[in-house]
Amino acid sequence: EEQLVESGGGLVQPGGSLRLSCAASGFTFSSYWMYWVRQAPGKGLVWVSRINGDESSTSYADSVKGRFTISRDSAKNTLFLQMNSLRAEDTAVYYCARVAVTGEGAFDIWGQGTMVTVSS
Amino acid sequence: DIQMTQSPSSLSASVGDRVTITCRASQSVSSYLIWYQQKPGKAPKLLIYAASSLQSGVPSRFSGSGSGTDFTLTISSLQPEDFATYYCQQSYSTPTWTFGQGTKVEIK
Repeated sequence: EEQLVESGGGLVQPGGSLRLSCAASGFTFSSYWMYWVRQAPGKGLVWVSRINGDESSTSYADSVKGRFTISRDSAKNTLFLQMNSLRAEDTAVYYCARVAVTGEGAFDIWGQGTMVTVSS
Repeated sequence: DIQMTQSPSSLSASVGDRVTITCRASQSVSSYLIWYQQKPGKAPKLLIYAASSLQSGVPSRFSGSGSGTDFTLTISSLQPEDFATYYCQQSYSTPTWTFGQGTKVEIK
């Protein structure tokens, strides 16, 4: 079964750091673009960052640029999101998602999400 | 960034009803339009990609149409398990893929 499982969320103070992980299984992880997408409580979906299969290309939303870093370890089939200088507005459920090979940019596999709460 | 606007924001419907949700893009996204279903506390689920292609395993009562700036998601006969929030997403403007604000389908 193709699956993504996130971990690493929690409560952190403003200015703090967290590292999210997303473990992939059941598919050839290195063949896919991967995204982080977040959803603030009661709000919609917003893309955060993306990375290609060989880590040669990364992109970030303006709201996190310079503070968040996306990476992946294909040997361990794991995607990461290093989040520094966290702000209250970063509070959200963070999902990792796989971009479908044939789907015109659709996310066909999602993790269950991990909650990040930034509060003093 | 391309803005995606869904209408209505919420609707009430009964089992068996035909339901239509609209998504409008602030500029043309060709057919790079995707629909998801999200239930409370769960991750989104892919329903439709490329505006009208049904994802494998998704019931045929779901259909999508449109191109350019105007798109629709139709549920031909609403079932109890379809009560959820639906989101559209454009993948035309890489890497800034944007989502609509969501349409909540509730039980009448």
